[in-house]
Amino acid sequence: KAGVTQTPRYLIKTRGQQVTLSCSPISGHRSVSWYQQTPGQGLQFLFEYFSETQRNKGNFPGRFSGRQFSNSRSEMNVSTLELGDSALYLCASSWQGAQGYEQYFGPGTRLTVT
Amino acid sequence: TQLLEQSPQFLSIQEGENLTVYCNSSSVFSSLQWYRQEPGEGPVLLVTVVTGGEVKKLKRLTFQFGDARKDSSLHITAAQPGDTGLYLCAGAGDSNYQLIWGAGTKLIIKP
Repeated sequence: KAGVTQTPRYLIKTRGQQVTLSCSPISGHRSVSWYQQTPGQGLQFLFEYFSETQRNKGNFPGRFSGRQFSNSRSEMNVSTLELGDSALYLCASSWQGAQGYEQYFGPGTRLTVT
Repeated sequence: TQLLEQSPQFLSIQEGENLTVYCNSSSVFSSLQWYRQEPGEGPVLLVTVVTGGEVKKLKRLTFQFGDARKDSSLHITAAQPGDTGLYLCAGAGDSNYQLIWGAGTKLIIKP
């Protein structure tokens, strides 16, 4: 099976702009989670979608939003970018199997806000 | 609120040495995963432990889930430079749809 894909891999934006990141989960996985990772902050949970519905949400401002399509692909959007939004944004598709709940990550999108 | 405390935060050792990384919580987890992440890449799932007291081995890596399913450890024997990376633990808690993450252990193995 193909892994999780994220596009683009790198992005440079200016303060005040908006950005949309895309994620395609592993075939058959219906859950997609998004994380922000900055040096020294670990993985910060943004939100999780399952069957086109947001099922969980982290503690991020409303500038961060997402959606999931009927084919399980997901997008996240950040509006009015701030310098502090510079980070690696990770998408993970999830599977509840015999080994419990597991997440499989894409390579991430490195966002730089200048 | 469920928390996972991971220690140490940083570890730099010589090739050939042994090391242990810990993940501790006051909460019970239904399962716990260990991931390794290299710079600029996404975390890669190494192992999932489900049963209290469970021990899993992956070559030179040994993973253990505590009897009460509140803690876990990762032991690396004869560390090699290829083991360098950020090791993350994550537990499936109250909501099975959201993982609780440790802050990570940055491991550097010097040749």
